[in-house]
Amino acid sequence: GQQLNQSPQSMFIQEGEDVSMNCTSSSIFNTWLWYKQDPGEGPVLLIALYKAGELTSNGRLTAQFGITRKDSFLNISASIPSDVGIYFCAGQSGGSNYKLTFGKGTLLTVNP
Amino acid sequence: DTGVSQDPRHKITKRGQNVTFRCDPISEHNRLYWYRQTLGQGPEFLTYFQNEAQLEKSRLLSDRFSAERPKGSFSTLEIQRTEQGDSAMYLCASTRQGGTEAFFGQGTRLTVV
Repeated sequence: GQQLNQSPQSMFIQEGEDVSMNCTSSSIFNTWLWYKQDPGEGPVLLIALYKAGELTSNGRLTAQFGITRKDSFLNISASIPSDVGIYFCAGQSGGSNYKLTFGKGTLLTVNP
Repeated sequence: DTGVSQDPRHKITKRGQNVTFRCDPISEHNRLYWYRQTLGQGPEFLTYFQNEAQLEKSRLLSDRFSAERPKGSFSTLEIQRTEQGDSAMYLCASTRQGGTEAFFGQGTRLTVV
């Protein structure tokens, strides 16, 4: 089945630093989504990407849909302590069901 | 707030017991999804409904699992004869018709002892 490879697995950074994480797939996706999950909570949607090459921002977050449609990256600028959490990429490959395939997540720790 | 709501948030049960979880989607969303998430993994698709019709089930959904959405609004997920391997976070998500942006509930954490 489809698999998403998300890297890095974890990151430890200082407050104020920029962060970059990415996701690659062996298959093409029509939509890429990025979620953040806090412990014991459900994932919260951060950014949705719909077109190859698309670059979208949401505050300090910027994400891009790779031209090959097999990858995406998420950047966080000027990190703050509340950015701590697990970031997941998710892809939707088309068809009528719109189900999502998730990566294993990147655990972000921000030291104040 | 009319986001996705799940109940209960936590459930501890003995092996062999049956459990049922409830999900109330965003009111104008006609698609509803169930996912399962184990420690250190991303959510994995279990099943989805369009209105009251269950249109797809994952191979992860064994015969002990059943999901319903009788009136096209809330949904229930039942696990019969629970096993320790069923311990996980069960997440519900909803989308509007034709939409790919899935909004998740807070999840139900199941622990089978």
